[in-house]
Amino acid sequence: GAVVSQHPSWVICKSGTSVKIECRSLDFQATTMFWYRQFPKQSLMLMATSNEGSKATYEQGVEKDKFLINHASLTLSTLTVTSAHPEDSSFYICSARADFRNEQFFGPGTRLTVL
Amino acid sequence: AQSVTQLDSQVPVFEEAPVELRCNYSSSVSVYLFWYVQYPNQGLQLLLKYLSGSTLVESINGFEAEFNKSQTSFHLRKPSVHISDTAEYFCAVSDESSYKLIFGSGTRLLVRP
Repeated sequence: GAVVSQHPSWVICKSGTSVKIECRSLDFQATTMFWYRQFPKQSLMLMATSNEGSKATYEQGVEKDKFLINHASLTLSTLTVTSAHPEDSSFYICSARADFRNEQFFGPGTRLTVL
Repeated sequence: AQSVTQLDSQVPVFEEAPVELRCNYSSSVSVYLFWYVQYPNQGLQLLLKYLSGSTLVESINGFEAEFNKSQTSFHLRKPSVHISDTAEYFCAVSDESSYKLIFGSGTRLLVRP
């Protein structure tokens, strides 16, 4: 139990296009999901906290108009990187906090490469 | 605000030797502490966690960590490592209200034959 999936697992896009990444909790409900980005050989940096049915809370320095987050249901959150540029290339990881216990479960990550 | 320090960016060790990965944290409130493992190009897997109770916590694959409040540490140990333990290990802290995880910079454990 407590599986989180991400789709796609990798994506390559041209500069200026938008990319949507999905994060799903497959067998549990998650009122809260989190989005992280990880640069090569670095730690995870929290980008935003996504709450079902409400606006996401962004960390300082993260552009909310560039990284659009939608948490439309208790099992799905999406991150859209708008007008992507090469500096947005990174490994994006989501996690879902299980409502039934105090633990976050992580997705396998999505590698975004912007050409 | 919380922060996590992992002083060792890489720890090389021979197979079957013991290992300790260090983690120190700072926080003005009570915290939960976690160790996660990340294999190449994968997400994070929870290794073990401290929420309350016994300060010594163990994982199913032989790792253990001890919460030391006075030293604000949560070091990860294993008495005998395997080649398959080679991975990146992240220490993380969260407070009891926000559930946001703050990660350390990570320690790469490299187990050599």
